[in-house]
Amino acid sequence: DAGVIQSPRHEVTEMGQEVTLRCKPISGHNSLFWYRQTMMRGLELLIYFNNNVPIDDSGMPEDRFSAKMPNASFSTLKIQPSEPRDSAVYFCASSHTGGGYGYTFGSGTRLTVV
Amino acid sequence: DAKTTQPNSMESNEEEPVHLPCNHSTISGTDYIHWYRQLPSQGPEYVIHGLTSNVNNRMASLAIAEDRKSSTLILHRATLRDAAVYYCIPYGGSQGNLIFGKGTKLSVKP
Repeated sequence: DAGVIQSPRHEVTEMGQEVTLRCKPISGHNSLFWYRQTMMRGLELLIYFNNNVPIDDSGMPEDRFSAKMPNASFSTLKIQPSEPRDSAVYFCASSHTGGGYGYTFGSGTRLTVV
Repeated sequence: DAKTTQPNSMESNEEEPVHLPCNHSTISGTDYIHWYRQLPSQGPEYVIHGLTSNVNNRMASLAIAEDRKSSTLILHRATLRDAAVYYCIPYGGSQGNLIFGKGTKLSVKP
């Protein structure tokens, strides 16, 4: 099992540009989560999907952020337009649904907006 | 949301046992207790979880108090690779997703 796969690993972009982060969850997992980590705010949940349907996007900071899950094996997090304060490490995680299952996290995408 | 209290930091010597405490006095009866760790420059990693009974796996043991208001993660022989931030998180019943607090930063001395 290759685990949760995120791409790219690093992204440097200029303010105002569109950024797309990608995630491939573990096959068979029906829940997918996007987190953001900064020194100031720690790990924050942005949005999560269950069976490809967004369940809770209350953590998405602004309308500039959007996430999609077109099928069970792929999700994207898009920032348009990007701002320097969006610089962070973005993690994707997947799991089976329910408290009896652990999450598997990807290695993250380190985003720098200059 | 169930609130958790963990020490900000702990130190251990290599090859000695480590007991990482967590208080979760407002935990729901249906919440599992999950533990994750995050090594430097890596994503969080699942360690162990339990509901009422103590649990063991290849990474650690989890001791849950009878009233479920606290738990302890036990690393039986700490290695340098165990230096990480450890998060205790109630999850599953009242809490529909993992909410990370500040965790405990564990340092391991050779």
